[in-house]
Parts: sequence; C-alpha cells; structure tokens
Amino acid sequence: NAGVMQNPRHLVRRRGQEARLRCSPMKGHSHVYWYRQLPEEGLKFMVYLQKENIIDESGMPKERFSAEFPKEGPSILRIQQVVRGDSAAYFCASSPTVNTEAFFGQGTRLTVV
Amino acid sequence: GENVEQHPSTLSVQEGDSAVIKCTYSDSASNYFPWYKQELGKGPQLIIDIRSNVGEKKDQRIAVTLNKTAKHFSLHITETQPEDSAVYFCAAFLDSNYQLIWGAGTKLIIKP
Repeated sequence: NAGVMQNPRHLVRRRGQEARLRCSPMKGHSHVYWYRQLPEEGLKFMVYLQKENIIDESGMPKERFSAEFPKEGPSILRIQQVVRGDSAAYFCASSPTVNTEAFFGQGTRLTVV
Repeated sequence: GENVEQHPSTLSVQEGDSAVIKCTYSDSASNYFPWYKQELGKGPQLIIDIRSNVGEKKDQRIAVTLNKTAKHFSLHITETQPEDSAVYFCAAFLDSNYQLIWGAGTKLIIKP
C-alpha cells in the first residue's frame, strides 16, 4: 500500500502563472486535507475534502485558490495567478475516516519567481 | 474555537537524556490527540496518538500522557538518540468541525 503521493515535489512558477498540486491519498482513504507550511513555521489548515465534496475550506483564501477531489483521480489544489507570497510547502494528508490518524505526503515545494 | 499551545518552541537535550514537550488545548470536547514528527524536507509522520478515554500510552521510547481535567497532554521521549532530532507537532481533534488543530511545533535538538 503506497503512502500518500504528492507531485510534483518541487514546482517553480513565475508570478501570474497557475500552479497545480496533486495528491493521491492512500488506498481506501476518502478524506483529504491540504496544509500550507512556511519555513520554520507550523502547519496551517487550508481545506478538507471528501470524494466530490468540499467539507471545510475555511483556511483557504477566497481568491485564486481552489481545491477538488473528484470521484476518480487525485485531489488537486489549484492556485491561479501566483504571487511571491504563495511560495511555501504544501502538504496533503489522507485518512480513512474522520478522527483517525492522518498520513502525510512528502509535500510540494512551490517557489514563485 | 479550539486553540492548541505547544511549549517549548526549541528544546536541546543531551543524547541519552529524556525530552518532554507539552501542549494545552482549550476545547474540552477535543477527543483525539496525535503527535507528529517532521524531519527536514519531509512530511510530518505520526509517531503516537491518544484518545480522550485513555490517560497514557507507550510505544518503546515514546509515551504520551493526557490530563483531561487540566486540558493538557505531553510527549515523553526517553533515552534520546541523534535521530530523534526533528520538529515535533501536537494536535487536537474536534468532532464538531472535523479538523485537527495544530500546535506551533517544537524543534528538538539532541546534542552528542
């Protein structure tokens, strides 16, 4: 059973471009969480999704950011018109149900130049 | 809403000594408390967790204690080794909003 897979591991985008971050949860996991982490800081919750549904997006900026978890395929975190301040590590985690251990991917490090 | 405070932010201990990291939470309805270890350049990894119906849990050199009355929980690492050096995060889960609320992290440094 492969762990949570995130790709790409590193992503460089110019200001104004779009960034697409992918997360394939562990097999059998239907709950996905996205977090953002700045260097030397903790994890900031962005969004919680179940298959085809956004459960809680209270941590995600209203503008430029969106997330989906389709019936088939990985969860996608999409950042439109990236700015320098979007540079961070973005982590995805999955769990089989709520209130159980969440497994993290290795993260995608986004650099906006 | 729930708030989790974690202390200390940095902890330096001699190899072989014990390390203790403490977290407090604000919402008495929180019922699940995991601890994660994050090594440089990697994602957080669950190392131990505890539920609110248990007071203590051990796994080899790692233990977690929970005091529901005082609303705090602690991570204990005994006989520390160089590979224990990492950032450790505590978290508290609240059923009402289906979220893990995270502490700010503790950077643990093991001195040889």
